[in-house]
Amino acid sequence: RKEVEQDPGPFNVPEGATVAFNCTYSNSASQSFFWYRQDCRKEPKLLMSVYSSGNEDGRFTAQLNRASQYISLLIRDSKLSDSATYLCVVPVDDKIIFGKGTRLHILP
Amino acid sequence: DAMVIQNPRYQVTQFGKPVTLSCSQTLNHNVMYWYQQKSSQAPKLLFHYYDKDFNNEADTPDNFQSRRPNTSFCFLDIRSPGLGDAAMYLCATGRQGGTEAFFGQGTRLTVV
Repeated sequence: RKEVEQDPGPFNVPEGATVAFNCTYSNSASQSFFWYRQDCRKEPKLLMSVYSSGNEDGRFTAQLNRASQYISLLIRDSKLSDSATYLCVVPVDDKIIFGKGTRLHILP
Repeated sequence: DAMVIQNPRYQVTQFGKPVTLSCSQTLNHNVMYWYQQKSSQAPKLLFHYYDKDFNNEADTPDNFQSRRPNTSFCFLDIRSPGLGDAAMYLCATGRQGGTEAFFGQGTRLTVV
C-alpha cells in the first residue's frame, strides 16, 4: 500500500450538493492528519487538521477511522469557490507526505 | 504577513545553467522541506532538514542539492537544469513531530 492514497478525481458536483473524499494511509503509527486545499498554480493551504476522531469547521467535516486507516473530508452545501484540488497529508516521522489529490469541480 | 517567503516567484534559466532558489521563514520552525510539483501532480518531497540534519529522499536526483546555513534560510540548488526540471518548487516549514506544514508561495521554474 502506498503511504497516502486518495480517491481519484475529478469529482464534478452541482452547487449545493454534498461531496465526500476518502484518503487511506499505511503508517498505523501516524497521529495527525491534514487536509490541504490547492488552487490552480498556487501553494497548498491548510484546510483542516485531524488529531483525534474528527474535526468540523462550518461546512467542512473531517473524520478519522484509525481501525481502517482512512480519513475523510465531507463538504456540505458546496459552493463554486470550493472548486480546487484537495490534498490529504500524513506526516511520517518528520516528513510530510501528500496524497495525489482529488480534483473537485463545482458546477453552477 | 508572509511567514515563508520564496524568491524569486518566477525563474527562467537556460538548459544546463545552475540555478538557486531561496526560502526564508520567520516561524523559527526547525524542519524545512523542499517539494517539486509538476502540473496536475501532487507535491513530491525532494528533501528536508531537521535542524541542520539533511534528509534526502531516495529518488531525488543528484542534480538537486540543498543548503541550510541557519534556521531561517534554506536554498535549493539545481546544478544542471534539464527541461524535465521545469516545475513549481515549494518550500515549507514545520515543527518536529509531524505537525502541519506552512508553505511559501512557490517558485515557478522554466527551463529554456
